[in-house]
Amino acid sequence: SQQGEEDPQALSIQEGENATMNCSYKTSINNLQWYRQNSGRGLVHLILIRSNEREKHSGRLRVTLDTSKKSSSLLITASRAADTASYFCATGVRANNLFFGTGTRLTVIP
Amino acid sequence: DTEVTQTPKHLVMGMTNKKSLKCEQHMGHRAMYWYKQKAKKPPELMFVYSYEKLSINESVPSRFSPECPNSSLLNLHLHALQPEDSALYLCASSQDTGHSYTDTQYFGPGTRLTVL
Repeated sequence: SQQGEEDPQALSIQEGENATMNCSYKTSINNLQWYRQNSGRGLVHLILIRSNEREKHSGRLRVTLDTSKKSSSLLITASRAADTASYFCATGVRANNLFFGTGTRLTVIP
Repeated sequence: DTEVTQTPKHLVMGMTNKKSLKCEQHMGHRAMYWYKQKAKKPPELMFVYSYEKLSINESVPSRFSPECPNSSLLNLHLHALQPEDSALYLCASSQDTGHSYTDTQYFGPGTRLTVL
């Protein structure tokens, strides 16, 4: 399977702490994307990092990509209760085809 | 307008019913997608339409029949479903940059389907 694996499966932190989740994948990619999903709803795109980039920031989000290790991490700084959601990495391997990872369920406790 | 809309939000159907899910976007995107998502699992790709033509069918059973009437609309026709088909069905759209590049996808809120 080309599906990525995410670690941890679940993460519970206090509001204000940082949350880090990791994604590993198996094949060469053209980009890697992170999405958030609130319970039972649609996915929201967070950030995209191209295969020739190593780090990218967007607000409180920081994404790293190591193509030699086929891994990525998503850091959310100063977490808020509203960040409670499932987070999925998705690898772009070819046009119009994203492969979603298994997801990390983040709970931020107020 | 950066929204993908889906109707209905919830659908309950029997195994002998015929129903349709609808999806609409007005972002000028030329690729549209259907995903199936079971609880606590990632979305699984079902179909991709590129420029109104079916480009990817991930070996989906024929009881699911997609249709793309125009570049803004995507339907999923359902017939003779099984209880295990109960899931959240997500529609998405993206630009179709092509050239082997995977564009950002914009998702609708989903249709929660229950098959009795």
